[in-house]
Amino acid sequence: DQQVKQNSPSLSVQEGRISILNCDYTNSMFDYFLWYKKYPAEGPTFLISISSIKDKNEDGRFTVFLNKSAKHLSLHIVPSQPGDSAVYFCALTTSGTYKYIFGTGTRLKVLA
Amino acid sequence: DADVTQTPRNRITKTGKRIMLECSQTKGHDRMYWYRQDPGLGLRLIYYSFDVKDINKGEISDGYSVSRQAQAKFSLSLESAIPNQTALYFCATGSTGFGELFFGEGSRLTVL
Repeated sequence: DQQVKQNSPSLSVQEGRISILNCDYTNSMFDYFLWYKKYPAEGPTFLISISSIKDKNEDGRFTVFLNKSAKHLSLHIVPSQPGDSAVYFCALTTSGTYKYIFGTGTRLKVLA
Repeated sequence: DADVTQTPRNRITKTGKRIMLECSQTKGHDRMYWYRQDPGLGLRLIYYSFDVKDINKGEISDGYSVSRQAQAKFSLSLESAIPNQTALYFCATGSTGFGELFFGEGSRLTVL
């Protein structure tokens, strides 16, 4: 049973527009949330994170939103650039366990 | 040189063969992880280790074993490889406390 789901396998966005990637989870014990980006033939690289005491964290063009009551996490990229085209994974963990569970991934394509 | 190095990067083998994937890191991190990536399933945790004497099963440990030979080395073994173990395997490391994981570039394994 998948604890973490990214319901959109793929997403296409025009350059300059906003990209919104979503992640839903079932376990309310998760309290630290991360987003990773993965290019072909490379390992995933860390993008941005948020702890459960916050509902928003921003880093340049990337903003992560957390809705704990809905068990929903989202990543906003604005403005989107062609270099953002990659697979994005959300990852969740619980304090003290250091066990990171990843979502199924969303392939983002930013069209020039 | 990469901080997290995986060998081999690509391997083709036959059903029933024993395979070992190796991971070494220069980051000085205590925690090490093995994940596999499959299309549509994202990254799934196989095993993780907090130190040489602390090994934990992940979501999909059946058919795999691991060895933490030193703080910097964590190897994944398939005692008798089967075709559904064909996947992209990633090693990752994490430092003490909350924070991101750092991934290697991946090992692509094909079992015929």
